Amino acid sequence: NAGVTQTPKFRILKIGQSMTLQCAQDMNHNYMYWYRQDPGMGLKLIYYSVGAGITDKGEVPNGYNVSRSTTEDFPLRLELAAPSQTSVYFCASRKPPRSEQYFGPGTRLTVT
Amino acid sequence: AQSVTQLGSHVSVSEGALVLLRCNYSSSVPPYLFWYVQYPNQGLQLLLKYTTGATLVKGINGFEAEFKKSETSFHLTKPSAHMSDAAEYFCAVTLMYSGGGADGLTFGKGTHLIIQP
Repeated sequence: NAGVTQTPKFRILKIGQSMTLQCAQDMNHNYMYWYRQDPGMGLKLIYYSVGAGITDKGEVPNGYNVSRSTTEDFPLRLELAAPSQTSVYFCASRKPPRSEQYFGPGTRLTVT
Repeated sequence: AQSVTQLGSHVSVSEGALVLLRCNYSSSVPPYLFWYVQYPNQGLQLLLKYTTGATLVKGINGFEAEFKKSETSFHLTKPSAHMSDAAEYFCAVTLMYSGGGADGLTFGKGTHLIIQP
């Protein structure tokens, strides 16, 4: 299994541009999550999904959108990128009843 | 709402010395607790977790943690530090009633562990 994969690894965006961060998992996990990590701040939950067609907001959803059309994929969309969205983004997945989440390698995004 | 406090953004120990990374949590219902490790430019890897049962949990790479409800703590320890333990460590919590994390993990700010030769 490849586990949780994320693309791209790095990206530089100009203010106002849009992009989609891709996340896929091949472990047949129902639950998937998006977090952002800022220096010295830990990780904060952006959005999560408990299955195809079901998504919900986390702690910091503003400026982002998600969709979940398949079990495997959970893309994160940034509309009108702002410098405040400069961060490292991590996707994670989980298969209940197990409680632990498995993380992807991250996408480092810079908005200038 | 739950929260996590990690005492010390940086901890430095000598190789071979005891590692102690502190984590305190706040939760209104029984928590599930986790420690994750992050090596430079990588994702997070699970070290260990507490859900129910035995309060002393053992993880990978010789780490262990003890859940102390009375102290609302979940400190991470390792008897003898190795150079390869240098990394960022995160304590995280989720609530038992949510099925173990339907609404995600709440993380502490992290502790950077430095190993002195």
